[in-house]
Amino acid sequence: EAQVTQNPRYLITVTGKKLTVTCSQNMNHEYMSWYRQDPGLGLRQIYYSMNVEVTDKGDVPEGYKVSRKEKRNFPLILESPSPNQTSLYFCASGGSGEETQYFGPGTRLLVL
Amino acid sequence: GQNIDQPTEMTATEGAIVQINCTYQTSGFNGLFWYQQHAGEAPTFLSYNVLDGLEEKGRFSSFLSRSKGYSYLLLKELQMKDSASYLCAVHYAGNMLTFGGGTRLMVKP
Repeated sequence: EAQVTQNPRYLITVTGKKLTVTCSQNMNHEYMSWYRQDPGLGLRQIYYSMNVEVTDKGDVPEGYKVSRKEKRNFPLILESPSPNQTSLYFCASGGSGEETQYFGPGTRLLVL
Repeated sequence: GQNIDQPTEMTATEGAIVQINCTYQTSGFNGLFWYQQHAGEAPTFLSYNVLDGLEEKGRFSSFLSRSKGYSYLLLKELQMKDSASYLCAVHYAGNMLTFGGGTRLMVKP
């Protein structure tokens, strides 16, 4: 089954404690992306990757890091989380030039 | 700029037709997406317009006018399960997407 998976689905943490949210896709897609979704602000792109070892900033990259060492994985790293990073995070993937992006199930993060 | 505007909320009656508008202030984009998102779930793909005009897909149709900076999603024969948020997103080169704030549609019996 074609899918994008994220882990964990829910996470409560404290300010400053490094965390990683994993994202994996089994569709051999070149393109992967991270979004955060906040009430009244919609979906905003954090980082995206066109292919292995190629990453670029989206609209709201501050406070986040990513890496793309393998095609299927695109982890999102919060080195020192802060309460304003409390949000719902979605990973997405799509083939190069493909019309559709497939979204993962979401990760709900609460930073205290 | 990349302002993408949608109404925040809409209400419609089961069986009716509803049009959700999306206006944008940008140029040089590949196309425009519409996604459906039920509360607490991931967005799912509905349609993608590259050329001006209407694309029909079952009960859902989507329209794009590049010259007017305008798109709409048309939902016919509304069902209760259509209650969801509808997101329009401009698709740029390099697969970048910029989303509007979404329109929450409530379908009433």
